[in-house]
Amino acid sequence: EAQVTQNPRYLITVTGKKLTVTCSQNMNHEYMSWYRQDPGLGLRQIYYSMNVEVTDKGDVPEGYKVSRKEKRNFPLILESPSPNQTSLYFCASRTAGGGSYEQYFGPGTRLTVT
Amino acid sequence: AQSVTQLGSHVSVSEGALVLLRCNYSSSVPPYLFWYVQYPNQGLQLLLKYTSAATLVKGINGFEAEFKKSETSFHLTKPSAHMRDAAEYFCVGPNQAGTALIFGKGTTLSVSS
Repeated sequence: EAQVTQNPRYLITVTGKKLTVTCSQNMNHEYMSWYRQDPGLGLRQIYYSMNVEVTDKGDVPEGYKVSRKEKRNFPLILESPSPNQTSLYFCASRTAGGGSYEQYFGPGTRLTVT
Repeated sequence: AQSVTQLGSHVSVSEGALVLLRCNYSSSVPPYLFWYVQYPNQGLQLLLKYTSAATLVKGINGFEAEFKKSETSFHLTKPSAHMRDAAEYFCVGPNQAGTALIFGKGTTLSVSS
């Protein structure tokens, strides 16, 4: 089954404790992206990657890091989480070409930072 | 600036009534538009997409949307609401560079019996 998976699905942590949220897709997509969802704000892009070893900032990158060492994986790293990073996070992927911008989303990771 | 604007953060209808969720986009958004649905405590599901093949787009669960370039609108409709349609709906389009999706702020649909 074609899918985007994220782990963990739920995470409660404390301020300053480094964490990583993993994202993996099995569709051989070149493009991957991370979004955060906050009430009343919709989804906003954190980082994206057009292909392996190519990453770039989205609209809200502060406090986050990413890496793209393999095509299928795109982990999101919070080196020193703060309470304002409490949010629902979505990973997404799509093909790079073909003119279709449709993205396939993972199930989401709900992060709480206390 | 590129934007996707959803009119009305909450819409309430009775079961069986017409559903109309409004979306306007800025003309700088490329002509690819989507509606996604998010059921309570779930992820995002694609409802339908416009890719310039036809202005009236049919999606899943009886939803459809009409792309109107002259009005820069992409409103979502369903003739008869069901209780199971209660969810949050997002109108979405790509940014001009194609590197991100721009989400409207969402419309929560409530359906009462």
